[in-house]
Amino acid sequence: KQEVTQIPAALSVPEGENLVLNCSFTDSAIYNLQWFRQDPGKGLTSLLLIQSSQREQTSGRLNASLDKSSGRSTLYIAASQPGDSATYLCAGGLTGGFKTIFGAGTRLFVKA
Amino acid sequence: NAGVTQTPKFQVLKTGQSMTLQCAQDMNHEYMSWYRQDPGMGLRLIHYSVGAGITDQGEVPNGYNVSRSTTEDFPLRLLSAAPSQTSVYFCASSRPEGSQYFGPGTRLLVL
Repeated sequence: KQEVTQIPAALSVPEGENLVLNCSFTDSAIYNLQWFRQDPGKGLTSLLLIQSSQREQTSGRLNASLDKSSGRSTLYIAASQPGDSATYLCAGGLTGGFKTIFGAGTRLFVKA
Repeated sequence: NAGVTQTPKFQVLKTGQSMTLQCAQDMNHEYMSWYRQDPGMGLRLIHYSVGAGITDQGEVPNGYNVSRSTTEDFPLRLLSAAPSQTSVYFCASSRPEGSQYFGPGTRLLVL
C-alpha cells in the first residue's frame, strides 16, 4: 500500500531563506509526483508535476526533484517570501495516474 | 474557463439526512475524483472516475455513492449522513498524466 510522508510537519523561516520540504513514499512504482499549495480555507493549487520518467521540474523560485529508487521527492523554495506562507502537500500518483495518495502536508510560515 | 466548481460551499446536516455535493468541470478532463480532508490526515480519496460511465472506489468509499453520466459532472451522494462525515470535501479533475485541478471545497457539518 502506497504511503506518503512529509517532514517536517511545520516550518518557520525568516524571509529570504532558501528551504527544502521533504516527501517520501513507500512504493517506488509511482506514476507521478505532484506538489500542491493550500492556503487556509482554500482549495489546492498545483505547483509542479513530475512524471516518473523525469527527475526534476522547475517553476520560478520552485524546484522539485524525484528519486524513485530512494522513494523521495523534495521541493526547494529559493529566497522565501511572506507570500509563500501556506501548507505544501505532495501527492503520489499510482499506476495510471488516476489514483493519488496525499501526504499530510508541511505548514510553512515565512517571517517578514 | 470556470475550472472546477463545487456547490454548496457550506452545508449543515442532521444525522441520517441525505444530500448531494455537486462538482462540475469545463476543461473536458477525463479523470475526476472526490477527496475528503480532515485535520492532520491530508486528503483521502473517496471515489474516482476515468470517464463517463466509469467509477471506482478509493480509500474511504463507505457511506458515499457517485455516478458519472457526463464528462462534466461528478456528484457525490451521502446516503445517510453521520457525524464522522464532517469534513471538507474537494473535487478534482485532470487529463491522463496531467496535473490535478481542484475545486474550492465544500465544508460539511453533520450534527
